[in-house]
Amino acid sequence: GAGVSQSPSNKVTEKGKDVELRCDPISGHTALYWYRQRLGQGLEFLIYFQGNSAPDKSGLPSDRFSAERTGESVSTLTIQRTQQEDSAVYLCASSRGGGEKKAFFGQGTRLTVV
Amino acid sequence: RKEVEQDPGPFNVPEGATVAFNCTYSNSASQSFFWYRQDCRKEPKLLMSVYSSGNEDGRFTAQLNRASQYISLLIRDSKLSDSATYLCVVNEAAGNKLTFGGGTRVLVKP
Repeated sequence: GAGVSQSPSNKVTEKGKDVELRCDPISGHTALYWYRQRLGQGLEFLIYFQGNSAPDKSGLPSDRFSAERTGESVSTLTIQRTQQEDSAVYLCASSRGGGEKKAFFGQGTRLTVV
Repeated sequence: RKEVEQDPGPFNVPEGATVAFNCTYSNSASQSFFWYRQDCRKEPKLLMSVYSSGNEDGRFTAQLNRASQYISLLIRDSKLSDSATYLCVVNEAAGNKLTFGGGTRVLVKP
């Protein structure tokens, strides 16, 4: 597809379980972002990938959160031992990278921890 | 102080009227600026970039004031479909992340 694709669109998990969220960026986009948006709140930066550079992990809230990206393709965000406060929409965005900062978002994964 | 601040609103706007709102940013080294719109339970969508000289896109006008560190968005001839939350986004030249403001909610009413 032409846009950023995220899967699953919805995920319900039990407290303490691990979850993995996937993001397929727009083809040719070297930069990829993950954000979290809690209900009624703004977007919180989690992590940024740019090509083969070391990712900017400054927004990851705890060591239960990690993300990987292979080259300039798919990224996965993993949350271990999920807690109820992890419930949120996780949004992925991509941009061409370098000096081009316009970012385009996927539809998000709505995570509910019960 | 938050890096990017916005009046949360809501701004209640009669259909056809003009509405304007600002966003302030704290980092003077910020280089790229954008407005996004987000509809309820949807992902943010890029509305327009903001350039130093100001720019227009149809009914929307964006301005940047570097001296006072704010950007603005003006919507003319408001439509019901303009009802949304408008997100201000800032990027530092040397940094990577796009920092989002909390959003300004606009409600256009008949």
